[in-house]
Amino acid sequence: ETGVTQSPTHLIKTRGQQVTLRCSSQSGHNTVSWYQQALGQGPQFIFQYYREEENGRGNFPPRFSGLQFPNYSSELNVNALELDDSALYLCASYSWTGYTFGSGTRLTVV
Amino acid sequence: GDSVTQMEGPVTLSEEAFLTINCTYTATGYPSLFWYVQYPGEGLQLLLKATKADDKGSNKGFEATYRKETTSFHLEKGSVQVSDSAVYFCALMGYGNKLVFGAGTILRVKS
Repeated sequence: ETGVTQSPTHLIKTRGQQVTLRCSSQSGHNTVSWYQQALGQGPQFIFQYYREEENGRGNFPPRFSGLQFPNYSSELNVNALELDDSALYLCASYSWTGYTFGSGTRLTVV
Repeated sequence: GDSVTQMEGPVTLSEEAFLTINCTYTATGYPSLFWYVQYPGEGLQLLLKATKADDKGSNKGFEATYRKETTSFHLEKGSVQVSDSAVYFCALMGYGNKLVFGAGTILRVKS
């Protein structure tokens, strides 16, 4: 059983740019969730995908969007980056045993 | 909406001291409760969980009991080690299997 793998591990972008973060989930895990963890805070739920469709969303604007693919990989896209988007972005896949988190992508917006 | 409140840190203890990190929650229905740990530069690791009232989750010497009457899930360990230094997050899983986290508590253990 492979874990949850996220790429890249670190990323620096300029305000106004667009970014795509990637996640490879565990095989057979049909549900993937994305969380934003600002420095010194707990993770905040962005959205969740089940079998390639969004089935839950937190309090994030539409410029945060996602995709889930048949091979259990997924993407988080953020348009028009703002300084406050600087955070650790965590991907988690879900099965009957619970959530498994990746190590995250550290995004810095300058 | 659902929420989790945990004690502010940092908590600084000497090695072999007793640890308690308080966690209370507000939720509709009967959520599952979790403690996650985050080491520097890493993602979240599940430490323990409890899925119903009076369940006790335990792992690596850590314990927490799901108390429905006090809506609490306090984390305890009888004797902490330097290697336990990390950030600890209390969380609940509510509607739609969404995790709601507390703000985290930094634990520092000195030798």
